[in-house]
Amino acid sequence: LAKTTQPISMDSYEGQEVNITCSHNNIATNDYITWYQQFPSQGPRFIIQGYKTKVTNEVASLFIPADRKSSTLSLPRVSLSDTAVYYCLVGPRTGGGADGLTFGKGTHLIIQP
Amino acid sequence: DSGVTQTPKHLITATGQRVTLRCSPRSGDLSVYWYQQSLDQGLQFLIQYYNGEERAKGNILERFSAQQFPDLHSELNLSSLELGDSALYFCASSVGPETSGYEQYFGPGTRLTVT
Repeated sequence: LAKTTQPISMDSYEGQEVNITCSHNNIATNDYITWYQQFPSQGPRFIIQGYKTKVTNEVASLFIPADRKSSTLSLPRVSLSDTAVYYCLVGPRTGGGADGLTFGKGTHLIIQP
Repeated sequence: DSGVTQTPKHLITATGQRVTLRCSPRSGDLSVYWYQQSLDQGLQFLIQYYNGEERAKGNILERFSAQQFPDLHSELNLSSLELGDSALYFCASSVGPETSGYEQYFGPGTRLTVT
């Protein structure tokens, strides 16, 4: 089971770029890294998934170094509406059972005006 | 709107009782997942079904059970309820059978309060 470690909370200001790092020292060769966002009293929402190097979509970028022992979710030019909890999950795409569904406590990101 | 529906939205019941939570996945999705979220435990994976069969099991208590029906909707049954079962229960769905390979779409949740 690839356990993840994230900061409990972070804060930033509107318009800034925010980087949230997740440590996963025991990541396995076939594990993928997935990030979700959750607003209060709502279900999590998929943000991005990657295996190595860099992945970018319209919402965020995901940076994964060569050793894959950590990953960084980058949110460009955040706004107040980006205040949420962000979860990092690590697990295989196939045959992973429950291993890839450990959400943990996540990182509570607070954006200030 | 994720396309996943859950009923009821709120449920208040007494200790010792039994309740059933219902989930309808997005059209075309064959996997259904159940999660429990409480303030002190975070988001905990309970169980996954794929096309009617149990696929993966997480931290689900023996007092809890689930099933997925031929029309792919799923029900989570919670019995002998305790105060500590008070939580938000989320259902999610995805298109494929694998637990983390596919993007999951979460429903709005059912807030269960046990008094």
